[in-house]
Amino acid sequence: SQQGEEDPQALSIQEGENATMNCSYKTSINNLQWYRQNSGRGLVHLILIRSNEREKHSGRLRVTLDTSKKSSSLLITASRAADTASYFCATVVNYQLIWGAGTKLIIKP
Amino acid sequence: DAGVIQSPRHEVTEMGQEVTLRCKPISGHDYLFWYRQTMMRGLELLIYFNNNVPIDDSGMPEDRFSAKMPNASFSTLKIQPSEPRDSAVYFCASSVGGTRGLEAFFGQGTRLTVV
Repeated sequence: SQQGEEDPQALSIQEGENATMNCSYKTSINNLQWYRQNSGRGLVHLILIRSNEREKHSGRLRVTLDTSKKSSSLLITASRAADTASYFCATVVNYQLIWGAGTKLIIKP
Repeated sequence: DAGVIQSPRHEVTEMGQEVTLRCKPISGHDYLFWYRQTMMRGLELLIYFNNNVPIDDSGMPEDRFSAKMPNASFSTLKIQPSEPRDSAVYFCASSVGGTRGLEAFFGQGTRLTVV
């Protein structure tokens, strides 16, 4: 069963704007990861945040984790057309990756 | 490393036929996962292996599905007999456990169409 739930299911913004996606989960985790999937391709790992971390950055990506609320957010700053993709969160629980349903992000030029 | 390699990329088969999907994980990775992705059900974990041993196959939908990992560099997912509802994209992923925290590397997927 899926533990993570992304919000929103779909997001459409103008190029240059920031995009924020959220993920909620149900049980205690070892870490939480975000992945991107371009249409027709496999998922690509973006960033991993451990349960004892609160914020992590990688380029234009910023991930936060609130274990008390069992939620995480992924912020993409200064969005580009190439950021158009589906974004998934995955939680690691007992050496299993538990996936959310994904957020479909469309960047309009 | 070439990454996770799956074959074939596309497979079209008739209902009732046997289908075999293949995966070569990244060398040195000790976890291998088989996923199925559809619009309706999203990404579903079918089975995963650790050090070539199946750990959890609770996601395998029916006895028609079987998976093997005879060695650290090869795995197969077999569907026999195939049905139209098996049409989906099947992904293989591999990862390293321990301190790397199970960052998964995905193959390009096999798009299966059963007619």
